[in-house]
Amino acid sequence: GIQVEQSPPDLILQEGANSTLRCNFSDSVNNLQWFHQNPWGQLINLFYIPSGTKQNGRLSATTVATERYSLLYISSSQTTDSGVYFCAASPYSGGYQKVTFGTGTKLQVIP
Amino acid sequence: DADVTQTPRNRITKTGKRIMLECSQTKGHDRMYWYRQDPGLGLRLIYYSFDVKDINKGEISDGYSVSRQAQAKFSLSLESAIPNQTALYFCATSDGGSGGLQETQYFGPGTRLLVL
Repeated sequence: GIQVEQSPPDLILQEGANSTLRCNFSDSVNNLQWFHQNPWGQLINLFYIPSGTKQNGRLSATTVATERYSLLYISSSQTTDSGVYFCAASPYSGGYQKVTFGTGTKLQVIP
Repeated sequence: DADVTQTPRNRITKTGKRIMLECSQTKGHDRMYWYRQDPGLGLRLIYYSFDVKDINKGEISDGYSVSRQAQAKFSLSLESAIPNQTALYFCATSDGGSGGLQETQYFGPGTRLLVL
């Protein structure tokens, strides 16, 4: 199956700093999502982005499908951004392919 | 009100006991999923269902069973719980988009299960 690798595994930021999280995947994808898991465990879908660029407030994501990676940008980080960020992908196929999650990037934003 | 709900939110049980985790959704989605999350391992798929009559095993289905009682309800059972099934369990839904594309998944709040 598809392999999904995220980097860095851990990240500590000062409030107000910017950061870039990376997701590499081993196969062509038709589904690429970014999720945020808050410290209470809840998973929130941030972006569906199999290709191109999207922005939502201080967050943006870019997927370069031909080079098999996606980037999540966090600008002007806030303490509420803390948590774990997961990338999830499913390979391009004629039929259904299950979504595979990376192991996440744990982000801590300190005041 | 939450679109995807899970009950119970927390559960402690003993080895060998049968337990059921329940998931309900009001999003009107056909597709439902059960995942487990272990520290440092991300989420792994246990079972998924595309409609009431379509249930499929995921990558770690051994020791688990599921029931899709209705479009809105998908239950996960541990027939005889064991300690290595201690984990955070998530239910998710999606509408499948067009031919499986645009498959944004929406997650419930999770159930923390401890098997002693």
